[in-house]
Amino acid sequence: QKEVEQDPGPLSVPEGAIVSLNCTYSNSAFQYFMWYRQYSRKGPELLMYTYSSGNKEDGRFTAQVDKSSKYISLFIRDSQPSDSATYLCAMSPDDKIIFGKGTRLHILP
Amino acid sequence: EAGVTQFPSHSVIEKGQTVTLRCDPISGHDNLYWYRRVMGKEIKFLLHFVKESKQDESGMPNNRFLAERTGGTYSTLKVQPAELEDSGVYFCASSQGSGFKSYDEQYFGPGTRLTVT
Repeated sequence: QKEVEQDPGPLSVPEGAIVSLNCTYSNSAFQYFMWYRQYSRKGPELLMYTYSSGNKEDGRFTAQVDKSSKYISLFIRDSQPSDSATYLCAMSPDDKIIFGKGTRLHILP
Repeated sequence: EAGVTQFPSHSVIEKGQTVTLRCDPISGHDNLYWYRRVMGKEIKFLLHFVKESKQDESGMPNNRFLAERTGGTYSTLKVQPAELEDSGVYFCASSQGSGFKSYDEQYFGPGTRLTVT
């Protein structure tokens, strides 16, 4: 079983829709849960991070962590064409980061 | 402030040849990481430097890979001899190193795309 499972997509939604991305994981030692965004030919860029369980909101983005279910989510409200990118969930037990495969997201104008 | 830079952006070499990738971290960042993404797989950790010392090299695939960080500044990752399965995108990341119980954000470079033919 992989440490982090993420549906690679692609996921296509119309502009303005709510996007839901999620990952499951197996390692209970993970303490930090992150979402990265990666545009083509660029490196991953941190969107949000959460320590342990709970919700975190930043503008149109909301991250949720449910440690009891080993499940994390990212919600994007009022999606824009500029949100089209690959979104990677990531987790960290210590200094190194364990990534999911990433979900390719297309926001259709 | 300049971000993490990597050189070259793309390298095509033949099996058996040697390639050296370079990473320049953000100035003042003590932590430097190497990651790799091979086709169809997730980005995977290779190793972690704290200044010039290797803190964790548990992700290095084999002894054909050698990473150095001279003087705690830039880092190089050498692959010798390269094999076909080494093809992928190699990312470098750096972080400041907080020492406290808070997330120490890693900033990623654009990656070096390595193709071994």
